[in-house]
Amino acid sequence: DGGITQSPKYLFRKEGQNVTLSCEQNLNHDAMYWYRQDPGQGLRLIYYSQIVNDFQKGDIAEGYSVSREKKESFPLTVTSAQKNPTAFYLCASMRSLKGNTIYFGEGSWLTVV
Amino acid sequence: QQPVQSPQAVILREGEDAVINCSSSKALYSVHWYRQKHGEAPVFLMILLKGGEQKGHEKISASFNEKKQQSSLYLTASQLSYSGTYFCGTDDVSGSARQLTFGSGTQLTVLP
Repeated sequence: DGGITQSPKYLFRKEGQNVTLSCEQNLNHDAMYWYRQDPGQGLRLIYYSQIVNDFQKGDIAEGYSVSREKKESFPLTVTSAQKNPTAFYLCASMRSLKGNTIYFGEGSWLTVV
Repeated sequence: QQPVQSPQAVILREGEDAVINCSSSKALYSVHWYRQKHGEAPVFLMILLKGGEQKGHEKISASFNEKKQQSSLYLTASQLSYSGTYFCGTDDVSGSARQLTFGSGTQLTVLP
Protein backbone atom coordinates (compact mmCIF):
# COMPACT_ATOMS: atom_id res chain seq x y z
CA ASP A 1 0.00 0.00 0.00
CA GLY A 2 1.20 3.50 -0.75
CA GLY A 3 1.68 5.87 2.11
CA ILE A 4 3.94 7.61 4.57
CA THR A 5 5.60 5.65 7.34
CA GLN A 6 6.92 7.33 10.46
CA SER A 7 8.92 5.65 13.16
CA PRO A 8 9.08 5.27 16.03
CA LYS A 9 5.52 5.97 17.16
CA TYR A 10 6.70 6.81 20.70
CA LEU A 11 10.14 8.05 21.69
CA PHE A 12 11.66 9.23 24.94
CA ARG A 13 14.64 11.56 25.02
CA LYS A 14 16.95 12.32 27.85
CA GLU A 15 18.23 15.82 28.42
CA GLY A 16 21.17 16.60 26.14
CA GLN A 17 20.44 13.80 23.68
CA ASN A 18 19.88 14.02 19.96
CA VAL A 19 17.13 11.83 18.53
CA THR A 20 16.13 11.10 14.95
CA LEU A 21 12.60 10.53 13.67
CA SER A 22 12.28 8.53 10.50
CA CYS A 23 9.92 9.34 7.62
CA GLU A 24 9.62 7.25 4.46
CA GLN A 25 7.12 7.65 1.63
CA ASN A 26 6.41 5.47 -1.39
CA LEU A 27 4.01 7.88 -3.07
CA ASN A 28 6.70 9.24 -5.39
CA HIS A 29 6.04 12.72 -4.04
CA ASP A 30 8.66 15.38 -4.63
CA ALA A 31 7.95 17.53 -1.59
CA MET A 32 8.22 16.44 2.03
CA TYR A 33 7.51 18.29 5.27
CA TRP A 34 7.89 18.11 9.02
CA TYR A 35 5.30 19.68 11.30
CA ARG A 36 5.23 19.98 15.06
CA GLN A 37 1.98 19.93 17.02
CA ASP A 38 1.68 20.84 20.69
CA PRO A 39 -1.36 19.76 22.73
CA GLY A 40 -4.44 21.67 21.65
CA GLN A 41 -2.46 23.62 19.08
CA GLY A 42 -2.22 23.80 15.32
CA LEU A 43 0.49 22.52 13.01
CA ARG A 44 3.72 24.47 12.78
CA LEU A 45 6.19 23.91 9.95
CA ILE A 46 9.72 22.89 10.97
CA TYR A 47 11.44 22.09 7.67
CA TYR A 48 10.44 21.24 4.13
CA SER A 49 12.10 19.88 1.04
CA GLN A 50 11.02 20.31 -2.56
CA ILE A 51 13.70 18.11 -4.16
CA VAL A 52 16.47 15.74 -3.18
CA ASN A 53 19.51 17.36 -1.56
CA ASP A 54 17.66 20.60 -0.91
CA PHE A 55 15.58 21.78 2.05
CA GLN A 56 14.37 25.02 3.63
CA LYS A 57 13.63 26.16 7.14
CA GLY A 58 10.06 26.56 8.20
CA ASP A 59 8.71 28.73 10.99
CA ILE A 60 10.32 26.88 13.92
CA ALA A 61 13.53 25.29 12.59
CA GLU A 62 15.78 26.18 15.54
CA GLY A 63 16.99 23.08 17.35
CA TYR A 64 16.13 20.75 14.46
CA SER A 65 18.00 19.40 11.45
CA VAL A 66 17.01 17.38 8.39
CA SER A 67 18.51 15.66 5.36
CA ARG A 68 17.08 14.66 2.01
CA GLU A 69 19.50 12.22 0.42
CA LYS A 70 16.77 10.15 -1.20
CA LYS A 71 13.43 11.15 -2.65
CA GLU A 72 11.52 8.79 -0.39
CA SER A 73 13.23 9.64 2.89
CA PHE A 74 13.24 12.80 5.04
CA PRO A 75 14.52 12.13 8.58
CA LEU A 76 14.25 14.77 11.29
CA THR A 77 16.84 15.11 14.06
CA VAL A 78 15.77 16.82 17.25
CA THR A 79 18.99 18.16 18.73
CA SER A 80 19.88 19.02 22.30
CA ALA A 81 19.55 22.68 21.29
CA GLN A 82 15.78 22.24 21.11
CA LYS A 83 14.84 23.16 24.69
CA ASN A 84 11.22 22.08 24.62
CA PRO A 85 10.97 19.12 22.25
CA THR A 86 8.03 17.31 23.83
CA ALA A 87 5.37 17.29 21.09
CA PHE A 88 3.62 15.29 18.39
CA TYR A 89 5.62 15.30 15.14
CA LEU A 90 4.00 14.81 11.76
CA CYS A 91 5.74 14.06 8.51
CA ALA A 92 3.91 14.81 5.27
CA SER A 93 4.41 14.73 1.54
CA MET A 94 2.84 16.29 -1.50
CA ARG A 95 3.19 16.35 -5.26
CA SER A 96 4.81 19.57 -6.38
CA LEU A 97 2.08 20.63 -8.80
CA LYS A 98 -0.43 23.22 -7.65
CA GLY A 99 -3.81 21.76 -6.87
CA ASN A 100 -2.55 18.70 -5.03
CA THR A 101 -2.96 18.21 -1.33
CA ILE A 102 -0.70 17.09 1.46
CA TYR A 103 -0.75 13.61 3.02
CA PHE A 104 0.36 12.89 6.57
CA GLY A 105 2.09 10.01 8.28
CA GLU A 106 0.71 8.58 11.53
CA GLY A 107 2.89 10.81 13.68
CA SER A 108 5.55 10.34 16.35
CA TRP A 109 5.20 11.27 20.00
CA LEU A 110 8.42 12.60 21.53
CA THR A 111 8.72 13.04 25.28
CA VAL A 112 11.66 14.40 27.25
CA VAL A 113 12.39 12.49 30.43
CA GLN B 1 1.25 34.04 7.80
CA GLN B 2 -1.14 31.67 9.52
CA PRO B 3 -4.82 31.68 8.41
CA VAL B 4 -7.35 32.55 11.09
CA GLN B 5 -10.00 30.02 11.97
CA SER B 6 -13.25 30.69 13.77
CA PRO B 7 -14.79 29.67 16.02
CA GLN B 8 -12.07 28.10 18.18
CA ALA B 9 -14.52 25.54 19.54
CA VAL B 10 -18.10 24.51 19.01
CA ILE B 11 -20.37 22.02 20.77
CA LEU B 12 -23.34 20.52 18.94
CA ARG B 13 -26.05 17.96 19.47
CA GLU B 14 -26.37 15.19 16.92
CA GLY B 15 -28.29 16.40 13.90
CA GLU B 16 -27.35 20.06 14.29
CA ASP B 17 -25.39 22.08 11.74
CA ALA B 18 -22.10 23.93 12.07
CA VAL B 19 -19.98 26.32 10.03
CA ILE B 20 -16.22 26.74 10.41
CA ASN B 21 -14.50 29.70 8.81
CA CYS B 22 -10.95 30.17 7.55
CA SER B 23 -9.60 33.57 6.60
CA SER B 24 -6.24 34.57 5.13
CA SER B 25 -4.45 37.88 4.62
CA LYS B 26 -2.83 36.54 1.44
CA ALA B 27 -4.22 35.84 -2.02
CA LEU B 28 -4.88 32.11 -2.07
CA TYR B 29 -4.49 29.47 -4.72
CA SER B 30 -6.18 26.74 -2.73
CA VAL B 31 -7.67 25.86 0.62
CA HIS B 32 -7.41 22.38 2.13
CA TRP B 33 -9.60 21.04 4.93
CA TYR B 34 -8.62 18.29 7.36
CA ARG B 35 -10.12 16.62 10.42
CA GLN B 36 -7.93 15.27 13.21
CA LYS B 37 -8.83 12.93 16.05
CA HIS B 38 -6.73 13.18 19.18
CA GLY B 39 -3.31 11.57 18.77
CA GLU B 40 -3.90 10.71 15.13
CA ALA B 41 -2.80 12.17 11.83
CA PRO B 42 -5.03 14.75 10.14
CA VAL B 43 -7.33 13.20 7.56
CA PHE B 44 -7.90 14.99 4.29
CA LEU B 45 -11.48 16.10 3.68
CA MET B 46 -11.37 18.24 0.56
CA ILE B 47 -9.43 20.79 -1.45
CA LEU B 48 -10.86 23.93 -3.03
CA LEU B 49 -9.02 25.68 -5.82
CA LYS B 50 -9.39 29.35 -6.71
CA GLY B 51 -12.50 29.89 -8.78
CA GLY B 52 -15.05 30.05 -5.96
CA GLU B 53 -16.20 26.47 -6.34
CA GLN B 54 -18.10 24.62 -3.71
CA LYS B 55 -17.42 20.99 -2.94
CA GLY B 56 -19.20 18.33 -1.00
CA HIS B 57 -18.26 15.15 0.81
CA GLU B 58 -21.23 13.26 2.27
CA LYS B 59 -22.85 15.86 4.57
CA ILE B 60 -19.75 18.02 4.68
CA SER B 61 -19.26 20.73 2.10
CA ALA B 62 -17.10 23.80 1.68
CA SER B 63 -16.92 27.02 -0.25
CA PHE B 64 -14.02 29.25 -1.27
CA ASN B 65 -14.33 32.97 -1.91
CA GLU B 66 -10.98 33.92 -3.43
CA LYS B 67 -11.79 37.65 -3.51
CA LYS B 68 -12.34 37.67 0.24
CA GLN B 69 -9.58 35.09 0.77
CA GLN B 70 -11.98 33.07 2.86
CA SER B 71 -13.25 29.53 3.00
CA SER B 72 -16.06 28.01 5.02
CA LEU B 73 -16.67 24.38 5.95
CA TYR B 74 -20.31 23.35 6.40
CA LEU B 75 -21.29 20.33 8.47
CA THR B 76 -24.96 19.44 8.21
CA ALA B 77 -26.95 17.01 10.35
CA SER B 78 -23.80 16.33 12.38
CA GLN B 79 -22.97 12.82 13.55
CA LEU B 80 -20.98 11.69 16.57
CA SER B 81 -18.16 10.69 14.22
CA TYR B 82 -17.73 14.33 13.17
CA SER B 83 -16.12 15.16 16.51
CA GLY B 84 -12.52 16.23 16.24
CA THR B 85 -10.38 19.22 15.39
CA TYR B 86 -10.80 20.77 11.97
CA PHE B 87 -7.90 22.53 10.29
CA CYS B 88 -7.71 24.60 7.17
CA GLY B 89 -4.47 24.74 5.25
CA THR B 90 -3.79 27.48 2.74
CA ASP B 91 -1.53 27.62 -0.30
CA ASP B 92 -0.93 31.17 -1.46
CA VAL B 93 -0.47 32.24 -5.07
CA SER B 94 2.82 34.02 -4.57
CA GLY B 95 4.90 31.21 -3.19
CA SER B 96 7.22 29.39 -5.54
CA ALA B 97 7.67 26.60 -3.06
CA ARG B 98 4.74 24.32 -2.32
CA GLN B 99 3.77 24.46 1.32
CA LEU B 100 0.61 24.63 3.33
CA THR B 101 0.17 26.97 6.26
CA PHE B 102 -2.37 25.71 8.78
CA GLY B 103 -4.81 27.52 11.01
CA SER B 104 -4.89 26.85 14.74
CA GLY B 105 -7.89 24.56 14.42
CA THR B 106 -11.53 24.42 15.46
CA GLN B 107 -12.46 21.83 18.05
CA LEU B 108 -15.85 20.31 17.24
CA THR B 109 -17.69 18.21 19.80
CA VAL B 110 -20.90 16.42 18.85
CA LEU B 111 -22.99 15.20 21.78
CA PRO B 112 -25.68 12.53 21.61
